Amino acid sequence: AQSVTQPDIHITVSEGASLELRCNYSYGATPYLFWYVQSPGQGLQLLLKYFSGDTLVQGIKGFEAEFKRSQSSFNLRKPSVHWSDAAEYFCAVGGYMEYGNKLVFGAGTILRVKS
Amino acid sequence: NAGVTQTPKFQVLKTGQSMTLQCAQDMNHEYMSWYRQDPGMGLRLIHYSVGAGITDQGEVPNGYNVSRSTTEDFPLRLLSAAPSQTSVYFCASRPGLAGYNEQFFGPGTRLTVL
Repeated sequence: AQSVTQPDIHITVSEGASLELRCNYSYGATPYLFWYVQSPGQGLQLLLKYFSGDTLVQGIKGFEAEFKRSQSSFNLRKPSVHWSDAAEYFCAVGGYMEYGNKLVFGAGTILRVKS
Repeated sequence: NAGVTQTPKFQVLKTGQSMTLQCAQDMNHEYMSWYRQDPGMGLRLIHYSVGAGITDQGEVPNGYNVSRSTTEDFPLRLLSAAPSQTSVYFCASRPGLAGYNEQFFGPGTRLTVL
């Protein structure tokens, strides 16, 4: 079955430090991969997505992610974190799925930024 | 474009009460869905619709009903609320069935069942 694992429930980084959020997926074919961000009390906003081609994708707010097929990973990175990046981040995999090609979400990683 | 809108933002119910969570989108999207979000569990699909007049069950449909009489609206009904339904509910839409399409999410409804 398809699944997404985000190993870190919470991560705390200092403002200005670099960030990497981990995501591993299980899917039998070429996946469509997404990162969403949820600010407190808000809905989910798409940060970036991977369909095919260049394995390093750029997103909004200075985020990027790299697809590594051999590791079944799609880690999210940012070179310098800002206090406004504090939020919960969800990795998701899509493709030819049950339930009308549903998205499968990870459990999320909560990012705290300390000044 | 308002995108995906949900009402209410907050709701408190007593066990056994019923209510409807409203969801609307103005992007003419075919696919709409309802998720519940619980701590440590990500988002789980409750029901979905691939077009007006077509609905189907998702992963966790028990205790919920949906209908899709128009492309724009996709209400979620709780038939007899239970404390286990305390959660944050998100409505989402996307342009088509293909799995590469971005999903757009509403702001959520935080529901507490006492």
